[in-house]
Amino acid sequence: KNEVEQSPQNLTAQEGEFITINCSYSVGISALHWLQQHPGGGIVSLFMLSSGKKKHGRLIATINIQEKHSSLHITASHPRDSAVYICAAPAGGTSYGKLTFGQGTILTVHP
Amino acid sequence: DTGVSQDPRHKITKRGQNVTFRCDPISEHNRLYWYRQTLGQGPEFLTYFQNEAQLEKSRLLSDRFSAERPKGSFSTLEIQRTEQGDSAMYLCASRRTSGRGGANVLTFGAGSRLTVL
Repeated sequence: KNEVEQSPQNLTAQEGEFITINCSYSVGISALHWLQQHPGGGIVSLFMLSSGKKKHGRLIATINIQEKHSSLHITASHPRDSAVYICAAPAGGTSYGKLTFGQGTILTVHP
Repeated sequence: DTGVSQDPRHKITKRGQNVTFRCDPISEHNRLYWYRQTLGQGPEFLTYFQNEAQLEKSRLLSDRFSAERPKGSFSTLEIQRTEQGDSAMYLCASRRTSGRGGANVLTFGAGSRLTVL
């Protein structure tokens, strides 16, 4: 079973700051997911990546397959970025949907 | 297509009652997943379907839990004789496994929050 660890668990930032959230996993994978969850429960898939780097707007996700580590960066953070960010890896290494989730990082961005 | 729909969004029930949740996936998505999320934790995998076939169930899914996807479209998750420990958010997600652009990307529903008193 894949063990997924995220850090930090809580993160507070001022608007405009550069944010980094880290994720490590124990079993080699086909792809890693970064998800965003707002209060009320809805989850949005931000990235699914298997190598290198992906960018979408102010969000950047990187992954190092050899080190089994991924990071999510937010540039020029904004209060609307406040949410829980969750990384998830395939439980057995290869599935895209049977996932093991990290505990989540609660991000609060103050104006 | 309006995405993945879940119903009801909130359910409050007394211990011992049965509850059923419904998930309507994106129409062309052949895979459907159920997860459970308790307060302050990440989601946990419960079960998944390929079309109408239930391919895997987690050990978390006790014999009080049953899930179906009878026609390969919507799915139901039923909890019998609910216990207070069943209180959680039940999340559904779907994806397609083939086709151009967007295959394997999970789309989540808004979840069904269960409170067992």
